[in-house]
Amino acid sequence: ETGVTQSPTHLIKTRGQQVTLRCSSQSGHNTVSWYQQALGQGPQFIFQYYREEENGRGNFPPRFSGLQFPNYSSELNVNALELDDSALYLCASSLQNTEAFFGQGTRLTVV
Amino acid sequence: GESVGLHLPTLSVQEGDNSIINCAYSNSASDYFIWYKQESGKGPQFIIDIRSNMDKRQGQRVTVLLNKTVKHLSLQIAATQPGDSAVYFCAENQAGTALIFGKGTTLSVSS
Repeated sequence: ETGVTQSPTHLIKTRGQQVTLRCSSQSGHNTVSWYQQALGQGPQFIFQYYREEENGRGNFPPRFSGLQFPNYSSELNVNALELDDSALYLCASSLQNTEAFFGQGTRLTVV
Repeated sequence: GESVGLHLPTLSVQEGDNSIINCAYSNSASDYFIWYKQESGKGPQFIIDIRSNMDKRQGQRVTVLLNKTVKHLSLQIAATQPGDSAVYFCAENQAGTALIFGKGTTLSVSS
């Protein structure tokens, strides 16, 4: 167990809807990163938060947004869901420039 | 573009054999590399990491080798067990933020 927990584990949404995914970091970790993993692919970096500020962003549109809270937990929000957003969404926590530990992921299906 | 990739999508070995999984990276400025193991339905699990000032690092039954001259990374698993069956990803850390993952190698261990 990594100590990184994500909720919910599975989710089904309709195209055009909005979704919020949640992540609790491992104790002591101040950095949270979010990744999207399509079936059969490696995880793709969405963005990272460090001490409540966005600290890097991958090639994802603005409808993907996030938050980090004072307790270092985090949310990933996706607006105007598209079918291609169906994927496993992974949260990883770390200290800066150290190994990242992943949660079990949230499986999002957009229909 | 810059990317991290693996040489073989699948590797099949017999229980007790040694396994070698390879990875090529293209960004010579990358200074931190990580191997992850991902079992079906789970998030990536940290195996071992190595920084660019090292050529080799050993863990329990695993060894990572880094050849910066040819930008090659390998993961060696000694005495491979059925529980080692999973998808293995190498990841490259750029600028201390994003982990850039390859597509993965599926390791199958038969008894």
